[in-house]
Amino acid sequence: QSALAQPASVSGSPGQSITISCAGSSSDLGVYDYVSWYQQHPGKAPKLMIYRVGDRPSGVSTRFSGSKSGNTASLTISGLQPEDEADYYCTSYTSSSAFYVFGTGTKVTVL
Amino acid sequence: QVQLQESGPGLVEPSETLSLTCTVSGDSVSSDTSYWSWIRQPPGRGLEWIGYIFHTGSSNYNASLSSRVTISLDTSKNQFSLTLSAVTAADTAVYFCARDRMGATFDHWGQGTLVTVSS
Repeated sequence: QSALAQPASVSGSPGQSITISCAGSSSDLGVYDYVSWYQQHPGKAPKLMIYRVGDRPSGVSTRFSGSKSGNTASLTISGLQPEDEADYYCTSYTSSSAFYVFGTGTKVTVL
Repeated sequence: QVQLQESGPGLVEPSETLSLTCTVSGDSVSSDTSYWSWIRQPPGRGLEWIGYIFHTGSSNYNASLSSRVTISLDTSKNQFSLTLSAVTAADTAVYFCARDRMGATFDHWGQGTLVTVSS
């Protein structure tokens, strides 16, 4: 089971919006809505930002939103802030033998 | 407030068995609404799901590791554990325990513990 494909890096200026893509297949993103997104700062544990494609846990800023179309999921960060600089990972349930598969990770840089 | 804390040796010799424990507070490993997972991250690399266990004792593992992995529950101590046998340098990673509300929804994580495989 290959990891879900994410761009290695995405950057933006404060206040801008950026979108991170997560490309999967008909074994995962194409058939299941179990897609989550995690933010990870250096040396820290990942933090759940989005689950079930577009739901936000309590306490997560409304600047974070998720969507899915076909085999690709997306995380959009609106009004980019310096504290958003981190690594972001998508994950999905998969019908393959891996059960859960993570994305390759995207480093977000705030210019 | 749900908290998870990993514990175990930070150094394991090649071919030996890695053993880690996750102590849970603020929730019960006997809950029927939570799955308890292990996830790892090699230095400088991405995340890999290892497996989970449910309160019934049923478990599910990543097929790439299933021949070497066992996850177990200790309800009396509100803990769950990971054993990974026949380790190699490729198993060097930060190991996280996490609560899964099903559907890849890992909503609470431990801080992670670095395990190095080396002689």
